[in-house]
Amino acid sequence: DAGVTQSPTHLIKTRGQQVTLRCSPKSGHDTVSWYQQALGQGPQFIFQYYEEEERQRGNFPDRFSGHQFPNYSSELNVNALLLGDSALYLCASSLMGDLREQFFGPGTRLTVL
Amino acid sequence: GQNIDQPTEMTATEGAIVQINCTYQTSGFNGLFWYQQHAGEAPTFLSYNVLDGLEEKGRFSSFLSRSKGYSYLLLKELQMKDSASYLCAVSDSNYQLIWGAGTKLIIKP
Repeated sequence: DAGVTQSPTHLIKTRGQQVTLRCSPKSGHDTVSWYQQALGQGPQFIFQYYEEEERQRGNFPDRFSGHQFPNYSSELNVNALLLGDSALYLCASSLMGDLREQFFGPGTRLTVL
Repeated sequence: GQNIDQPTEMTATEGAIVQINCTYQTSGFNGLFWYQQHAGEAPTFLSYNVLDGLEEKGRFSSFLSRSKGYSYLLLKELQMKDSASYLCAVSDSNYQLIWGAGTKLIIKP
């Protein structure tokens, strides 16, 4: 049983560019949450998707958007990249309403130059 | 505002016991989680407390006092592989996870 997978593993972009990160949830999970983790900090909640809709959103600007597909996989898009967007982006999957079953993917390390 | 505090770094000796504290102030409370994160890796679930008291799971135990907004993670019989960051996270009234910055635990032989 594959756990949560994310792609790519690492990514280097320049300021102003756009990036798309991908996540496939653990088999049987229907909810995907995205987090940003800056170096030496705890994760910050970006948003959560369930039934192909954004259900909750953290304190992130509209440059951060997402999508969930019918197979429950998800994408995170970031437009107009800033240096401060450099971070580890984590995807976590769960069943709706059961955060105890939240499993994290290995993350995508984004570096913005 | 919402706030979770935990020490930045702790050092302990292999075979010893260490207690990592976490205090929180959040809008609502739907449980407190502890995660372990090795450098460059994803967080992995350690424990979940929603009622006051001690939850024991092998070498790891977690305690919660909701009235004090306080939790601790107790690690016994420390092993070198326990060197990692330990993250405290609280589920708030919207079931969003609010995370602390993590405690880096260094284990010395």
